[in-house]
Amino acid sequence: AQSVSQHNHHVILSEAASLELGCNYSYGGTVNLFWYVQYPGQHLQLLLKYFSGDPLVKGIKGFEAEFIKSKFSFNLRKPSVQWSDTAEYFCAVNPKNTNAGKSTFGDGTTLTVKP
Amino acid sequence: KAGVTQTPRYLIKTRGQQVTLSCSPISGHRSVSWYQQTPGQGLQFLFEYFSETQRNKGNFPGRFSGRQFSNSRSEMNVSTLELGDSALYLCASRAQGLDYTDTQYFGPGTRLTVL
Repeated sequence: AQSVSQHNHHVILSEAASLELGCNYSYGGTVNLFWYVQYPGQHLQLLLKYFSGDPLVKGIKGFEAEFIKSKFSFNLRKPSVQWSDTAEYFCAVNPKNTNAGKSTFGDGTTLTVKP
Repeated sequence: KAGVTQTPRYLIKTRGQQVTLSCSPISGHRSVSWYQQTPGQGLQFLFEYFSETQRNKGNFPGRFSGRQFSNSRSEMNVSTLELGDSALYLCASRAQGLDYTDTQYFGPGTRLTVL
């Protein structure tokens, strides 16, 4: 069975600081990778996804993530965070060539951006 | 298009009771997945329905069940409630559910509190 590990449970940054949230997964085969974001009081929404091709994927609101297969990692980055990025971030995986309706999620990282 | 809707949004029950939660997917979406979100366990996959059939199931006891109707609306039922069932129950829908590149769209969740 696959598992996902998010190393940082709570990250506090000041506005304009750079962000990197770690995500490592454990699975013997190839996977699809996702980052979701949950803003306070809002639905969980997709930030970006990787299925194949360029391992550097760009998502909404200036976020990007890089898939490093050799390290089983899919870290999320943003060069300059804003107060509005305060939210909980979830990394998720599901085995490739299976339906994406059964994703395994990490425990989440709470990001607090101080104005 | 209207998003995924879930009813009720909040629910309070006592131990031993049963509860039914409802999810209406985005119009045209045929796949519905259910997740349980708790502070201690994070987001855990419960089951997925596609075309009225359960296609995937997570590691939850038989007290957790679900179904899907011909209009793709889905319900999940939890019988003999336990305190540990207190959680946010999320529903997610996908377009056709046959392509692993489909994006999951999440609803706002139903907050269940068991007293």
